[in-house]
Amino acid sequence: DAKTTQPNSMESNEEEPVHLPCNHSTISGTDYIHWYRQLPSQGPEYVIHGLTSNVNNRMASLAIAEDRKSSTLILHRATLRDAAVYYCILRDWKGGSEKLVFGKGMKLTVNP
Amino acid sequence: EAGVAQSPRYKIIEKRQSVAFWCNPISGHATLYWYQQILGQGPKLLIQFQNNGVVDDSQLPKDRFSAERLKGVDSTLKIQPAKLEDSAVYLCASSLSRDKLYFGPGTRLTVL
Repeated sequence: DAKTTQPNSMESNEEEPVHLPCNHSTISGTDYIHWYRQLPSQGPEYVIHGLTSNVNNRMASLAIAEDRKSSTLILHRATLRDAAVYYCILRDWKGGSEKLVFGKGMKLTVNP
Repeated sequence: EAGVAQSPRYKIIEKRQSVAFWCNPISGHATLYWYQQILGQGPKLLIQFQNNGVVDDSQLPKDRFSAERLKGVDSTLKIQPAKLEDSAVYLCASSLSRDKLYFGPGTRLTVL
């Protein structure tokens, strides 16, 4: 499974934008970039995913570099509820198993 | 829509005892996953079902762990006998499409 690299942790301030980086230099052409987050004492929650183009949804935006070797999850206005562990995951459809392989993730702290 | 249900939420057992966890996926979701999450780590896939067939169980310790999904709906994960290192949160997830997984709240297992 292709690997991703994230910082161990980040801090942000409430109501400010947050940019969460992810490096995936060995990404293949069939890998989708997925983001999940896990709030304390809860199961992971889907945030967003993309292949090549930038993506937006009600939770966040995903900016994908032109060479696809990195991506950035953007929370436009952080709230205290966004404090969580964020996982950047590559998901390859080619093999057909569709499994999601989690790394350690990145802990986001939001300061009031 | 109702989410993924899991029970029990917490379980404490002595080593060498057996334990079972139950999962009810979102209605209509054909794919069901069991993940193990040890404290401080990301979730690790144990087994994936497509309807009631096993797609991937490569990381399931089959000498002590077993799982079944009768009639392609509910699923049960069993550990027999439990070891200290099995202390973890056991997460069930289901999916309808290839886009996103929906996770349950998990069962926190403590083995003494």
